[in-house]
Amino acid sequence: GESVGLHLPTLSVQEGDNSIINCAYSNSASDYFIWYKQESGKGPQFIIDIRSNMDKRQGQRVTVLLNKTVKHLSLQIAATQPGDSAVYFCAENLSGGSYIPTFGRGTSLIVHP
Amino acid sequence: DSGVTQTPKHLITATGQRVTLRCSPRSGDLSVYWYQQSLDQGLQFLIQYYNGEERAKGNILERFSAQQFPDLHSELNLSSLELGDSALYFCASSVSGTSGSYEQYFGPGTRLTVT
Repeated sequence: GESVGLHLPTLSVQEGDNSIINCAYSNSASDYFIWYKQESGKGPQFIIDIRSNMDKRQGQRVTVLLNKTVKHLSLQIAATQPGDSAVYFCAENLSGGSYIPTFGRGTSLIVHP
Repeated sequence: DSGVTQTPKHLITATGQRVTLRCSPRSGDLSVYWYQQSLDQGLQFLIQYYNGEERAKGNILERFSAQQFPDLHSELNLSSLELGDSALYFCASSVSGTSGSYEQYFGPGTRLTVT
């Protein structure tokens, strides 16, 4: 079956830098996407979502970009802080109104002070 | 603290056994979601309940079942356990869950070990 994947398993950045975490999705019928953050020993935490009728959405220090042409999703974190160190997952949801997400494997973000 | 509680925190049991995991959603949240997270499969959506009714079903095995009670807490029942069922099981809740944003709040998880 189709799946969501991440380009880089580990991303190391310096504190204060901007981070970009990428995600490729393969199902063109997906119309809803979510980014989650999971810190060690904790449950996932919803960060931001975006629907396919948008190509950009901003939150607090985070921006999600959606490129439907190449089926690519990215999460940008501005002024990365040590507290941002975690595994980040993207998830895609097929259209149809129901919530049945497929998750990527995750990217580990390491922020060095 | 997300406001979602899960019990027990850890569970160790033998193959063939049956266990029940419990979840209490955030106050006011009507939807409950169950997920399984394992090293080989990653995070997988199992099932969603909304106000007591099953709303969506993902990769949930027939040996697994869930329900949401009138007080909105939910239980995930895992039976005929196999070694491969060892995983973290997360519960999440959201205010709605029928459309729009599926912003969810996750509990701390139950770590199930099947020996």
